[in-house]
Amino acid sequence: KQEVTQIPAALSVPEGENLVLNCSFTDSAIYNLQWFRQDPGKGLTSLLLIQSSQREQTSGRLNASLDKSSGRSTLYIAASQPGDSATYLCAVLPGGGSEKLVFGKGTKLTVNP
Amino acid sequence: GAVVSQHPSRVICKSGTSVKIECRSLDFQATTMFWYRQFPKQSLMLMATSNEGSKATYEQGVEKDKFLINHASLTLSTLTVTSAHPEDSSFYICSARGVSANTEAFFGQGTRLTVV
Repeated sequence: KQEVTQIPAALSVPEGENLVLNCSFTDSAIYNLQWFRQDPGKGLTSLLLIQSSQREQTSGRLNASLDKSSGRSTLYIAASQPGDSATYLCAVLPGGGSEKLVFGKGTKLTVNP
Repeated sequence: GAVVSQHPSRVICKSGTSVKIECRSLDFQATTMFWYRQFPKQSLMLMATSNEGSKATYEQGVEKDKFLINHASLTLSTLTVTSAHPEDSSFYICSARGVSANTEAFFGQGTRLTVV
């Protein structure tokens, strides 16, 4: 059974810092991995999607990497801003034809001005 | 990215009444939609998966007669909470995926249901 773990559960940094959020998964047989952002009381916003054949994806100040063989992904946020404060969720789409995303519990990020 | 619109964003209803939540994919055809429930400070719990034109598949422990799901078209799925009780109060979120099973999943804005 696929399990997704995100460390740390919470992170507080000063504005301007570069930071890394970690995601690990137990079964390397995945179709893809997505990073989401969730603001309090809101739905999820898709940030980056990495297919199993890809190593990384970039969007603006965000860079996500995928090392499928070791079951790890990282989300790198450059020059963090207070507006980046949110909970970041990692989810994998398992292989074998499953349609269901498996989510981690998220990392709550606070960027202090 | 693609847009999934969920309505209403907030609803308060009396105990015993039914509430319908709509989920629409605005700019793509969603062959598969998912309904989640989220408790405070916790991650998402999948309730059911629905494919257009067929019956929804419910996760273990989710009452299908309580949470009615209809996916009548490629752009609309609805979740009806029947005979709502205070314990049904929660945050409900829908998600949609396009034709290919391994494409990006997009989420609605969520619905905060409060049953009084």
